[in-house]
Amino acid sequence: KAGVTQTPRYLIKTRGQQVTLSCSPISGHRSVSWYQQTPGQGLQFLFEYFSETQRNKGNFPGRFSGRQFSNSRSEMNVSTLELGDSALYLCASSSGQGAYNEQFFGPGTRLTVL
Amino acid sequence: AQSVTQLDSHVSVSEGTPVLLRCNYSSSYSPSLFWYVQHPNKGLQLLLKYTSAATLVKGINGFEAEFKKSETSFHLTKPSAHMSDAAEYFCVVIRRDPSGGSYIPTFGRGTSLIVHP
Repeated sequence: KAGVTQTPRYLIKTRGQQVTLSCSPISGHRSVSWYQQTPGQGLQFLFEYFSETQRNKGNFPGRFSGRQFSNSRSEMNVSTLELGDSALYLCASSSGQGAYNEQFFGPGTRLTVL
Repeated sequence: AQSVTQLDSHVSVSEGTPVLLRCNYSSSYSPSLFWYVQHPNKGLQLLLKYTSAATLVKGINGFEAEFKKSETSFHLTKPSAHMSDAAEYFCVVIRRDPSGGSYIPTFGRGTSLIVHP
C-alpha cells in the first residue's frame, strides 16, 4: 500500500497570501488529521476530518481551515499568511475516527512565509 | 485538563546500553497514551499505545512502556540501544477540549535520542 502523500513538499509564500496544502491518505483510510510542527511550539493538532466532516478541532484561528473530499483526500487552507505560520505541516491518516487509532503520517509540507 | 511533559529534551546513550525516555502526564480521568517516533526525513510512526488493557505495553523494535497511575508516568524503555534508534520520540495524550468537546491529541515537546557507537 502506498503511504500518506503530501503535496507540495516545499512552499514559499509572502505575508498576506493564502496557501492550500494537499494530503492523500492511505487507501481505505477515512480519517485525515492535520498538524503544525514548529521549533517553538512543537507538534500541535489542527483538525481532523472523517467522512468529509470535521470531527475534532485544535486551538487555531479561523484562518486555518480544511476540507475532505469523498475519496478521503484532504486539503488545508491558510489565509492571510503570517510569518509565524512558517512550519512543517503534517498530515496523518487512520482507518477509524479519532487519534485513539494508529495514525500514519506523511512526510510533511515545509511552508516558509517571507 | 490533560497535558504531557517529556522530562528530557535530549538523551544520549551508547549502543548496547539501556534506553529510558521519561514522560509524565496530567489527567482528570484514565488517559490514552502513545509514543511516536520521528526518524530524520521520515514520517512519524507509532511505537506503542496504552488504552487501559495492560499497564506494561510492548511496542515495535523492542520498545516497551509502563503505565504507572500513582506516578502519572508512561516512560519508554528499551534494554539495548541500536544505532538505528537515534530519532525524536514523542509522548502523546488525548485530551478533551472542555469548551468544544473535541478530542485533541497533545504531543510532548519531544526527546532526541542520540546513540553513540
